Amino acid sequence: DGGITQSPKYLFRKEGQNVTLSCEQNLNHDAMYWYRQDPGQGLRLIYYSQIVNDFQKGDIAEGYSVSREKKESFPLTVTSAQKNPTAFYLCATIGGQMNTGELFFGEGSRLTVL
Amino acid sequence: QQQVKQSPQSLIVQKGGISIINCAYENTAFDYFPWYQQFPGKGPALLIAIRPDVSEKKEGRFTISFNKSAKQFSLHIMDSQPGDSATYFCAASKGGGFKTIFGAGTRLFVKA
Repeated sequence: DGGITQSPKYLFRKEGQNVTLSCEQNLNHDAMYWYRQDPGQGLRLIYYSQIVNDFQKGDIAEGYSVSREKKESFPLTVTSAQKNPTAFYLCATIGGQMNTGELFFGEGSRLTVL
Repeated sequence: QQQVKQSPQSLIVQKGGISIINCAYENTAFDYFPWYQQFPGKGPALLIAIRPDVSEKKEGRFTISFNKSAKQFSLHIMDSQPGDSATYFCAASKGGGFKTIFGAGTRLFVKA
């Protein structure tokens, strides 16, 4: 099945700990994105990558880090510097030969800081 | 110039009624206007999309109306059903969608 796999689905973290959220895709899409969604809120862009070994900050990058060593993978690390990390995190991709402009989203990872 | 403004923030509609969500944009370079549907605890998924060379697109009970001169577009859900209860996001992008700008979202609740 082609798609985007995010893991873990639920994650609990103590304050001061770094955590890494995984995003893997087999759609052969060039660009990958991380969004943050707070309850009842819209989607805020954290980081994005349009090509391997390159990524750019989005609107709320502070306290987060990413890497793009492989086309298929775009992990997001939520660092202890992120003051309010409890949120729903969404990974998305776009691109490929049949690109229409549609973003494809994963199922999300819900992070709770205890 | 990059904003997409969406209204209302929330909407309650009776079963069988029409749900209407509106969006406005500023950047005339946008060339792709999708609507995404998101159920609780899930990622958004494309519902329907339109390009600025047409004024309307219909897929089943869902219709996008597009007004290029006013820089506005709207989603109409006909015969709304409880299963349509979800959050809807409008969006706009240009050049293949690599920089998609989202509206703030509308939480729709359809009463049975």
